Amino acid sequence: DQQVKQNSPSLSVQEGRISILNCDYTNSMFDYFLWYKKYPAEGPTFLISISSIKDKNEDGRFTVFLNKSAKHLSLHIVPSQPGDSAVYFCAASAEGGSNYKLTFGKGTLLTVNP
Amino acid sequence: SAVISQKPSRDICQRGTSLTIQCQVDSQVTMMFWYRQQPGQSLTLIATANQGSEATYESGFVIDKFPISRPNLTFSTLTVSNMSPEDSSIYLCSVEVGSGYGYTFGSGTRLTVV
Repeated sequence: DQQVKQNSPSLSVQEGRISILNCDYTNSMFDYFLWYKKYPAEGPTFLISISSIKDKNEDGRFTVFLNKSAKHLSLHIVPSQPGDSAVYFCAASAEGGSNYKLTFGKGTLLTVNP
Repeated sequence: SAVISQKPSRDICQRGTSLTIQCQVDSQVTMMFWYRQQPGQSLTLIATANQGSEATYESGFVIDKFPISRPNLTFSTLTVSNMSPEDSSIYLCSVEVGSGYGYTFGSGTRLTVV
């Protein structure tokens, strides 16, 4: 049972445009959400996170939106750059940090074309 | 943030043999986490390793198959025992970084069992 779903295996956008990566979850106990970026032959690197008490968190070109009622979050990258080309993983955690377990989606491969 | 050195980066092993993966962290951490990413699948937590106690395994993973050592606060090993082709995956270790729920990952070990 996939509790965190990234339904788009891949996404291709033009440099300078907006990239929108989507993530859905089913477990209502999740209260913290994270996005990771992964380049080939490297481990995932933390990108941005959001607590369930917020609906938006912004860090430079990266913004994460959370819609709790829809159990949906999205990562916006604007403007997209070729160096953003990577696999992006959505992850979720429950119980406000007392549970360290992260549940990941399968990832979305983002390709930003020059 | 912590820096993790994980080795080997890749290996090709014969079925029935075992492989031990090492993770060295440049700072002391209480908990270390071991993940597996099978082809086309999400990152899945194998176990959580605390120094000085038995590792805690997730459903579907057992100590006999994935024994873990945690001899001190900067080091851990994961052994994949009696390997079969189904064990071909990327294995990653991870530690928590600060209070923002970000986690740092090692660069991964790409295991192919033939």
